[in-house]
Amino acid sequence: GQNIDQPTEMTATEGAIVQINCTYQTSGFNGLFWYQQHAGEAPTFLSYNVLDGLEEKGRFSSFLSRSKGYSYLLLKELQMKDSASYLCAVRDGNYQLIWGAGTKLIIKP
Amino acid sequence: DADVTQTPRNRITKTGKRIMLECSQTKGHDRMYWYRQDPGLGLRLIYYSFDVKDINKGEISDGYSVSRQAQAKFSLSLESAIPNQTALYFCATGGGLLGVDTQYFGPGTRLTVL
Repeated sequence: GQNIDQPTEMTATEGAIVQINCTYQTSGFNGLFWYQQHAGEAPTFLSYNVLDGLEEKGRFSSFLSRSKGYSYLLLKELQMKDSASYLCAVRDGNYQLIWGAGTKLIIKP
Repeated sequence: DADVTQTPRNRITKTGKRIMLECSQTKGHDRMYWYRQDPGLGLRLIYYSFDVKDINKGEISDGYSVSRQAQAKFSLSLESAIPNQTALYFCATGGGLLGVDTQYFGPGTRLTVL
């Protein structure tokens, strides 16, 4: 079966750096997405990786290793507003989007 | 104005009732999706549509039906609601090349079935 694993919850301190990992096992691969979802709100797009390596976008970076079935989202200079769930999603060989359960990130002052 | 809207935002209903959730978009996207989200689970795809004449079942279509009335409108129906259909429902759109399209979500409908 297809599977995406992410930690359920992480805690970090304001101003620090946090890395949220995602491992996946899918039938084929056509890209990996990270979305942010604040409690009770809709997910919003953060990043997309289809080739190995690091994609940087401001305070957020996303890394992909296709051979390892692994990605991470790196958040720098954490702010209280970064408290949210972070969803990893993989587009499989049939172009279906498979979603992880999300990682709830708690930022403490 | 929001690009993807959903109505109603909240709904409480009783077991056995028919419910329709509506989604409209102004993004001009051809692809539209219905998901449900439950605590501790990832988003699960119910149905999706790549254009007005195309409807496809997702991972958990049993107990649901959809209608794509126009490019901009995609509605989800629960013919006879049951309590385990209590969840947060999201509509989403997607445009551009299929492999790289990001999805844009509506604000969600919180449905409670008593």
